[in-house]
Amino acid sequence: NAGVMQNPRHLVRRRGQEARLRCSPMKGHSHVYWYRQLPEEGLKFMVYLQKENIIDESGMPKERFSAEFPKEGPSILRIQQVVRGDSAAYFCASSPGRGQLNTEAFFGQGTRLTVV
Amino acid sequence: GQQLNQSPQSMFIQEGEDVSMNCTSSSIFNTWLWYKQDPGEGPVLLIALYKAGELTSNGRLTAQFGITRKDSFLNISASIPSDVGIYFCAGTYSGTYKYIFGTGTRLKVLA
Repeated sequence: NAGVMQNPRHLVRRRGQEARLRCSPMKGHSHVYWYRQLPEEGLKFMVYLQKENIIDESGMPKERFSAEFPKEGPSILRIQQVVRGDSAAYFCASSPGRGQLNTEAFFGQGTRLTVV
Repeated sequence: GQQLNQSPQSMFIQEGEDVSMNCTSSSIFNTWLWYKQDPGEGPVLLIALYKAGELTSNGRLTAQFGITRKDSFLNISASIPSDVGIYFCAGTYSGTYKYIFGTGTRLKVLA
């Protein structure tokens, strides 16, 4: 996990507030993925981004959720008007994006969002 | 959508025993990966498989990419207490880079 940095590790928000989750990929990685994990469940794909581009957002809820990966700075997963059902662990992963190694993604330690 | 069935869901074993778990898909996958997740942490990549029939080892861990490309298994030999955790399989299929994750196998090792 070393290298993929997520912050904050824990985030508490009241219903209706906004949550911003940050992810800095490993050095040299240009691809970022966001996953959501509910307790006792596996990881569910949300979105796949390259620098300044959203490649696949088929796992993102249609409303309130957005993601970006700007040319400079970390990738951001933004959840507007949070509800209790958004409480989960959100993981970011990154990969080099070249050849076979493109599919070896390394995960961060996650952000645990609690909506109260 | 794509689904990965992972079994067993959980297992208790004695220290020193060998462990086997598997993952099956309803579709053909191009890549299989195995991760381990400790409580409160992110998944850590254990083994990556890229070709049907491929058998790869990483210390006491051995994984194989099934010939049909619809399954994979992970073996852990001579288990030790630190093997405790949740093991996830994940796969990618043609035309996409997103990983589909299995539901996990929860391993508990009794000393």
